[in-house]
Amino acid sequence: AQRVTQPEKLLSVFKGAPVELKCNYSYSGSPELFWYVQYSRQRLQLLLRHISRESIKGFTADLNKGETSFHLKKPFAQEEDSAMYYCALSGGYSGAGSYQLTFGKGTKLSVIP
Amino acid sequence: DGGITQSPKYLFRKEGQNVTLSCEQNLNHDAMYWYRQDPGQGLRLIYYSQIVNDFQKGDIAEGYSVSREKKESFPLTVTSAQKNPTAFYLCASSIGFNEKLFFGSGTQLSVL
Repeated sequence: AQRVTQPEKLLSVFKGAPVELKCNYSYSGSPELFWYVQYSRQRLQLLLRHISRESIKGFTADLNKGETSFHLKKPFAQEEDSAMYYCALSGGYSGAGSYQLTFGKGTKLSVIP
Repeated sequence: DGGITQSPKYLFRKEGQNVTLSCEQNLNHDAMYWYRQDPGQGLRLIYYSQIVNDFQKGDIAEGYSVSREKKESFPLTVTSAQKNPTAFYLCASSIGFNEKLFFGSGTQLSVL
């Protein structure tokens, strides 16, 4: 079974400090990984996905298959980064033909001015 | 603000009552999903549909039912068999499998 673990429920950092939101996954095949973000009073939205290898709002995430991790990083946190962040894994179709997209429990990032 | 619309924003259910949550999208997406969000639990998949007239159970389908008669609509019914229905329900759609999900603004369901 696939699993996504976000070990921190809450992460507080000062403005300008580096940020790392941890995500570890368990999956036997080749995963597709995503970070979704929910700002206060806004909809949940895609932040980035690993196959795009892009930087969005200064955030990057590298897939480390050896450590089964997909940590989200930003060198200098901004107050507007305060939000709820969810890591998600798509393992494709299971043997029964069912779709498998699994979300972690989320990490609330609070950037202190 | 088009895209994907959920209604109502708040819904109350009495004991033994079935209630239906609406989800409509104008993005021409083939795939649609229903998630349940509980505090500290992340998002859990209830049902999904990859094409009209077809849908599949997710991880927590018991006590729920769906239909997909039109591409743009994917209503979720919370039946009386769902013993713990109080939660925030999110609908999403994507252009296809493994693609970016677009989310609605959610429906908060509470039990009277």
